[in-house]
Amino acid sequence: KNQVEQSPQSLIILEGKNCTLQCNYTVSPFSNLRWYKQDTGRGPVSLTIMTFSENTKSNGRYTATLDADTKQSSLHITASQLSDSASYICVVSELSGGSYIPTFGRGTSLIVHP
Amino acid sequence: EAQVTQNPRYLITVTGKKLTVTCSQNMNHEYMSWYRQDPGLGLRQIYYSMNVEVTDKGDVPEGYKVSRKEKRNFPLILESPSPNQTSLYFCASSLRGSSYEQYFGPGTRLTVT
Repeated sequence: KNQVEQSPQSLIILEGKNCTLQCNYTVSPFSNLRWYKQDTGRGPVSLTIMTFSENTKSNGRYTATLDADTKQSSLHITASQLSDSASYICVVSELSGGSYIPTFGRGTSLIVHP
Repeated sequence: EAQVTQNPRYLITVTGKKLTVTCSQNMNHEYMSWYRQDPGLGLRQIYYSMNVEVTDKGDVPEGYKVSRKEKRNFPLILESPSPNQTSLYFCASSLRGSSYEQYFGPGTRLTVT
């Protein structure tokens, strides 16, 4: 069964610091990997998407990397802000029978303290 | 404004009383999906629809039904709700499939007593 494992489960950092979240997956055949940000009580919002041939993608202070060989991805947040406090979800899609099947990680809960 | 709407946002009901959670999108998206989110388990897909009249089971379809009679609407039906269906439910849509960016609704918090 395809799996997406995220670490750490939760993280507390001070405002202005950088942090890196990890995502390891076993999904195959791999189609793409997305990182979503989910604020408390709201639906997830897409931050980045990467396909097999891409190994880095940035969206402002968010930078995602992908190593398709080791099946690992990371999300780096630079100069964190209080508004970065949220859950970050890694989603890996496989192409199966003409359909894209997403597998969701359980998320990393990030708290940014002033 | 492009959006996915869900109703109701909050619902408390009793075991066995049929209920429907509506989902509507105004982006002309082909793909729609329902997820439930439980603490420590993350988002799990219940059902998805690739287009009108085309629906398929996700990871946790038991106890749920869906229909896709129109492109914009994708209601989630619980024929006989049970307490283990207490959860936070999200509807999402995307242009063609789940590999495209999914736009999520605001969520429906359901409690079954």
